[in-house]
Amino acid sequence: RKEVEQDPGPFNVPEGATVAFNCTYSNSASQSFFWYRQDCRKEPKLLMSVYSSGNEDGRFTAQLNRASQYISLLIRDSKLSDSATYLCVVALNNAGNMLTFGGGTRLMVKP
Amino acid sequence: DTEVTQTPKHLVMGMTNKKSLKCEQHMGHRAMYWYKQKAKKPPELMFVYSYEKLSINESVPSRFSPECPNSSLLNLHLHALQPEDSALYLCASSQDPRSYEQYFGPGTRLTVT
Repeated sequence: RKEVEQDPGPFNVPEGATVAFNCTYSNSASQSFFWYRQDCRKEPKLLMSVYSSGNEDGRFTAQLNRASQYISLLIRDSKLSDSATYLCVVALNNAGNMLTFGGGTRLMVKP
Repeated sequence: DTEVTQTPKHLVMGMTNKKSLKCEQHMGHRAMYWYKQKAKKPPELMFVYSYEKLSINESVPSRFSPECPNSSLLNLHLHALQPEDSALYLCASSQDPRSYEQYFGPGTRLTVT
């Protein structure tokens, strides 16, 4: 079983749609959680950290369910520029500074 | 300045060549990383430097040799690579070893022929 699992997609959605990505992690000791965005042939960029209480940044909402070891990312009012691969990232706070990346979910927003 | 820079952007090398990848950041970050990313796969951690000292080596073959000359620079020396080493090599940095927010450079796309 992979440490961090994501549906690879692709998710093909029209502009303006709401889309949700899920991610599960296997290590219950994981402490820090993030969503990164990676455009084609570019580097990953931190999109947002994920907190237990859930957090929102504009059209993006991230939620964490520790009991189910599940993380989600909701994108509202999708834009063409949201097309990218979204990487779920998990860290163990006692493992130095090692991030474990999920395989990524590809989103394609169509006009 | 929140940028991590990497040179070269592209590199083609033969299996007998010796080359180096360079990474630089001027954010005052004290942790720097090398990752390898194959197509349609997530980044895989190779090395971590904390306060200019190698703190993590993820069982990387010795044909990859990292070096941290100072707190702003990170090099990856390459020698006798194999075609399967062709990948995007990403450098990243974070404020310190306890910070999980990592900032990535644009990467060097390496092709080994």
